[in-house]
Amino acid sequence: DIQMTQSPSSLSAFVGDRVTITCRASQTIRTSLNWYQQRPGKAPKILIYAASSLKSGVPSRFSGSGSGTYFTLTISSLQPEDFATYYCQQSYSTPPWTFGQGTKVEIK
Amino acid sequence: QVQLVESGGGVVQPGRSLRLSCAASGFTFSTYGMHWVRQAPGKGLEWVAAISYDGSNKYYAASVKGRFTISRDNSKNTLYLQMNSLRTEDTAVYYCVEGGLVGPTTFDYWGQGTLVTVSS
Repeated sequence: DIQMTQSPSSLSAFVGDRVTITCRASQTIRTSLNWYQQRPGKAPKILIYAASSLKSGVPSRFSGSGSGTYFTLTISSLQPEDFATYYCQQSYSTPPWTFGQGTKVEIK
Repeated sequence: QVQLVESGGGVVQPGRSLRLSCAASGFTFSTYGMHWVRQAPGKGLEWVAAISYDGSNKYYAASVKGRFTISRDNSKNTLYLQMNSLRTEDTAVYYCVEGGLVGPTTFDYWGQGTLVTVSS
């Protein structure tokens, strides 16, 4: 099974800051990497698919990059509504569909 | 719009069974793969099971294989998860998710989740 590792596990930043979350796969997954946002008490919501494609309706301050085993999710200017936990997920070698452990973003 | 509504959660003793249901609407259910994803309290997301659009292919996480069964009734637009021999570590919110099974896929639509608590 492919293991997904995110860092950091949590971070705190000011509104307006640029924030970057990393995700590493235990073996190559090419660009079969998705990012999800989960606000407290809510179901996850897809933000980015295929490593760098923005899902329709998602604000352009979110962006993704990477390929192979190293990926990043960047929020260019953090907004109060971005307080959430973010998960990466691989869909290259399935089953199983595996998620990273999550990165909790807190607003300072 | 796409709606996925889970039901059937509750409190159950270890070793007992529970069946979750997910009522789908707003899309052609019979042409989409479906998944169950769970989240233990305060923990991350864990994929549980998947079923192809016609029910011919089913996949399970190692942690539930042999105990859980995923199924669907396309005539009722409903997805099921039969959970047997429940353990305390199965305590989680269970989400019904629309998503493909072949090639790079995304989990585009999620239900609101139903809480299963396994406790004596």
